[in-house]
Amino acid sequence: AQKVTQAQTEISVVEKEDVTLDCVYETRDTTYYLFWYKQPPSGELVFLIRRNSFDEQNEISGRYSWNFQKSTSSFNFTITASQVVDSAVYFCALSRKGGSNYKLTFGKGTLLTVNP
Amino acid sequence: GAGVSQSPRYKVAKRGQDVALRCDPISGHVSLFWYQQALGQGPEFLTYFQNEAQLDKSGLPSDRFFAERPEGSVSTLKIQRTQQEDSAVYLCASSLGQGNSPLHFGNGTRLTVT
Repeated sequence: AQKVTQAQTEISVVEKEDVTLDCVYETRDTTYYLFWYKQPPSGELVFLIRRNSFDEQNEISGRYSWNFQKSTSSFNFTITASQVVDSAVYFCALSRKGGSNYKLTFGKGTLLTVNP
Repeated sequence: GAGVSQSPRYKVAKRGQDVALRCDPISGHVSLFWYQQALGQGPEFLTYFQNEAQLDKSGLPSDRFFAERPEGSVSTLKIQRTQQEDSAVYLCASSLGQGNSPLHFGNGTRLTVT
């Protein structure tokens, strides 16, 4: 069975602070995908990143960076110099690799509030 | 350049009523998914279509839930004899269906059963 744990239910920071959202996953598959999605108040899930289990290289995209560590089954997400517009619920998700069936298993999400 | 469109945006149903939720995927997207998101929880998989074929319905919680996509485009999620525990946001997502294509989600339909 697959499982994703986001231990932080809510995080509140002041604008310009850095913040890291934690994600720990469980799977018996040797190959899989990991994802992060952002859900603003409008409700739409916005895709942020997909990571192949074979690729442990950390990735940076502007103020966003991701740290994938297979040894600890973690895929943490850091926002540098946070902004008010970053306020949203962030979900980490896991799926099996292969085919077109993205049967995603989501964590419960972390509500990030960035205060001005 | 329209995204995934879902209607209605909000639906209130009395317990026992049937409801139908519509999803218009992005044009040309082969794969279509339905997810259920309870309040304060992450989305949970309900069912998956590839074109008009329903290839996975393992997440449907009961036989009161039924989904179809007869022409491989628009999809409808139907819930018969709604119960209070069906109250949730129902999210639709689509993708090109190729290995590297990400899911694009709609804004969801918030169903409240009273």
